[in-house]
Amino acid sequence: SQQGEEDPQALSIQEGENATMNCSYKTSINNLQWYRQNSGRGLVHLILIRSNEREKHSGRLRVTLDTSKKSSSLLITASRAADTASYFCATDPRSSASKIIFGSGTRLSIRP
Amino acid sequence: NAGVTQTPKFQVLKTGQSMTLQCAQDMNHNSMYWYRQDPGMGLRLIYYSASEGTTDKGEVPNGYNVSRLNKREFSLRLESAAPSQTSVYFCASTLDRGTYEQYFGPGTRLTVT
Repeated sequence: SQQGEEDPQALSIQEGENATMNCSYKTSINNLQWYRQNSGRGLVHLILIRSNEREKHSGRLRVTLDTSKKSSSLLITASRAADTASYFCATDPRSSASKIIFGSGTRLSIRP
Repeated sequence: NAGVTQTPKFQVLKTGQSMTLQCAQDMNHNSMYWYRQDPGMGLRLIYYSASEGTTDKGEVPNGYNVSRLNKREFSLRLESAAPSQTSVYFCASTLDRGTYEQYFGPGTRLTVT
């Protein structure tokens, strides 16, 4: 079963609006990462947040982590057409030394 | 740097045929991974290699074998392909296990008829 589950499964917004995606996971983690996948391509790493961090920023991206609720959110501000992609969270469970586990993703569509 | 490269990009197999998917990275990474991606399922780990000389099973290893040929190369073999193995296969690498970002190849789209 998936460690991370994204919500919503699909999201469509107008260009310029903010997009928020959520990820919930089941077990204690060392860190949580977000990846983007453009159609037909490999995943690209966006940001990593460690378990002792609560918020992290990178450009138009803002990630929060709430370990008490076992959840994370990814906010993309001032969305652009180029942000159209699938977004995946990936967790590094403390019980697993060598691998990270991906969620099923959120498909984001930006309408012009 | 080419990053992570995968060959082939596309492949069609008949049930029962075998093939090897190749992956190479030029970033001097220690850990390498093979995933499959099915529609709506996200990525599922098939096998991984935490370091040169070691390999371990992931979530869905049945029907696959791997070889960590050297630090750069990690291959995935399908001994007797089945239609259930129709998927997109991604190779990834990371500096070290666990806490580092993974770099992905472009994927191999495999169809088994």
